Amino acid sequence: AQKVTQAQTEISVVEKEDVTLDCVYETRDTTYYLFWYKQPPSGELVFLIRRNSFDEQNEISGRYSWNFQKSTSSFNFTITASQVVDSAVYFCALSEARGNTPLVFGKGTRLSVIA
Amino acid sequence: EAQVTQNPRYLITVTGKKLTVTCSQNMNHEYMSWYRQDPGLGLRQIYYSMNVEVTDKGDVPEGYKVSRKEKRNFPLILESPSPNQTSLYFCASRSALAKYNEQFFGPGTRLTVL
Repeated sequence: AQKVTQAQTEISVVEKEDVTLDCVYETRDTTYYLFWYKQPPSGELVFLIRRNSFDEQNEISGRYSWNFQKSTSSFNFTITASQVVDSAVYFCALSEARGNTPLVFGKGTRLSVIA
Repeated sequence: EAQVTQNPRYLITVTGKKLTVTCSQNMNHEYMSWYRQDPGLGLRQIYYSMNVEVTDKGDVPEGYKVSRKEKRNFPLILESPSPNQTSLYFCASRSALAKYNEQFFGPGTRLTVL
């Protein structure tokens, strides 16, 4: 069965600090997809990134970077030089490649960036 | 614009009063699903549909019904809402051919059952 664990329930940082959000997943499939979503206070889900299980290349997008390590089943998300606008709940999610499997979400990490 | 729409966005109702939350997508997606989001629990799938007239239970289907009479619409029906169904609901859709199983989410419906 699939499972996603986000051990950090809440994190508070001061603006301009770097912060890493952890995500550990479990799956029996060899082909799967990992996602990160941001949920700002307005409530919508904002897609940030996807990664397939065969692509372990780390990715950087502006102040955001993602570290995918199959050996530790982790897909961690780092925000560099955090800003107040980064305050949100962040969800990591997993989908197995076969057919109708749902997106399985972690419980989310609430990030508060204090000015 | 490609999108998933949900209505209403906010709803306050009372126990036992039947309600329907509509979901519509304009991307001709085969796969649609409903999730509920609760504090500390993340998002959990309620029901999903692989195509017209094909629906199945997700992880938390109790107290909900769905139908898929048309490809674009996937309404969520609460026949007799109860306070434990107070939640934030998301509809999602994706193509059966989606490369990464990437789903498109609606804006959410915040439901309060008194």
